[in-house]
Formats: sequence, structure tokens, C-alpha cells
Amino acid sequence: QKEVEQNSGPLSVPEGAIASLNCTYSDRGSQSFFWYRQYSGKSPELIMFIYSNGDKEDGRFTAQLNKASQYVSLLIRDSQPSDSATYLCAVPPPKGGYNKLIFGAGTRLAVHP
Amino acid sequence: DGGITQSPKYLFRKEGQNVTLSCEQNLNHDAMYWYRQDPGQGLRLIYYSQIVNDFQKGDIAEGYSVSREKKESFPLTVTSAQKNPTAFYLCASSSTGQGAYGYTFGSGTRLTVV
Repeated sequence: QKEVEQNSGPLSVPEGAIASLNCTYSDRGSQSFFWYRQYSGKSPELIMFIYSNGDKEDGRFTAQLNKASQYVSLLIRDSQPSDSATYLCAVPPPKGGYNKLIFGAGTRLAVHP
Repeated sequence: DGGITQSPKYLFRKEGQNVTLSCEQNLNHDAMYWYRQDPGQGLRLIYYSQIVNDFQKGDIAEGYSVSREKKESFPLTVTSAQKNPTAFYLCASSSTGQGAYGYTFGSGTRLTVV
């Protein structure tokens, strides 16, 4: 089992809909979780992080964390074509030491008009 | 503005040649990282460094070398021993210490073997 798993997609949603992206992780000790957005040919940019169970909202983005079930989700409300990108989930190793994030392979989101 | 700069943006390497990718940051971050990304793939860690004059191998270090002589700089050399170097190379930096910190990425270097 991979340490961080994401469905590769593509996830296709119509403009204005809610896009739901999921990420599961293998280590129960993981504490913090990061979502990155990567446009084609560009570098990843950090869009959300969450470390407490529950929801965290930032504009149209909501991160949801469920540590008992070991998954973290990213919801994008009112999806726009400009949201079309690959979304990477990242988790640090739980045992401390180097801050060495483990990245999932990413989910490609396509928002169509 | 603080940031992390990678150069060049595009690099072409001939067979048997060593090439060096530059990465400079002015964010005062202690940790720096090099990742490789192949088309349609996730990020794979090549090397990372938490402090000056210290660095550790990542998951795919063979055929690569790094140095960390200054806090701001973490250059990556792709040696002739790396048989399939064509990829998108990303440098990142972060704070360190208790807890976890997100990375700031550079804009990347696209390396092609010709």
C-alpha cells in the first residue's frame, strides 16, 4: 500500500459544481496535511493545509480531515475552468525529524464550461 | 519579494555530459529539497538538506549529486551515471522544527537529453 493515495482522475465537473478530491494515507500518526495545485507545466503551489479533525475553509476551498478513517478531502465550490489542474496531497512522516513531505501522485481535475 | 529561483528554465544535455541545475532561495528557510517529476507522475525525492554542509539521499539519488555550502543555495548536478534524466526538476524549501511546514517550490527546470 502506498503511503499517500489519490485517484489519478481525470475528475470532470461542470462549471459551478462542487469538485471533491480525496486522499488517503497509511500512517495513523500523521498530523498535518497539505494540498497543492499544479497547473500543467508549472510548479506546485500550496493552497491549503489542515491539522485538526473537521473542516477548514478558505474562500471556495474546504479541506476536510478524518483521522479515524485516515482520509483528507479537498472540496472546491463553484468550480471554474481556471481550477482545472492537478491537485497533490502531501503528508509529512509522523516520526518527526526532517520535514520530508510524502506526495500523492495527484488527481487531475477538469472543469468544463 | 522572498522566493525561490531555479535556473535555467530549460536545459539540454548531451549523452555523457554532467549538468548543474541552480536553486537559490531568500526565504531564510533551513531546509531545501530536490524532486523529479516525470510526465503524469508524482514527485519523487532526489536529495534533501536541513542545514548547511549536510544533505541526505532521497528515494532516487543514484546518478545525482548536491552540495549545500550556503543556506541560500542547493545546486543539483545530474551526472552521466543518470541514464534517464529527461524530466521536470523541482527545487523546494521550507522551515524546520516542531510540526510540519509546507514547501515553497521554484518554477522548475525542464531537462531534456539530446
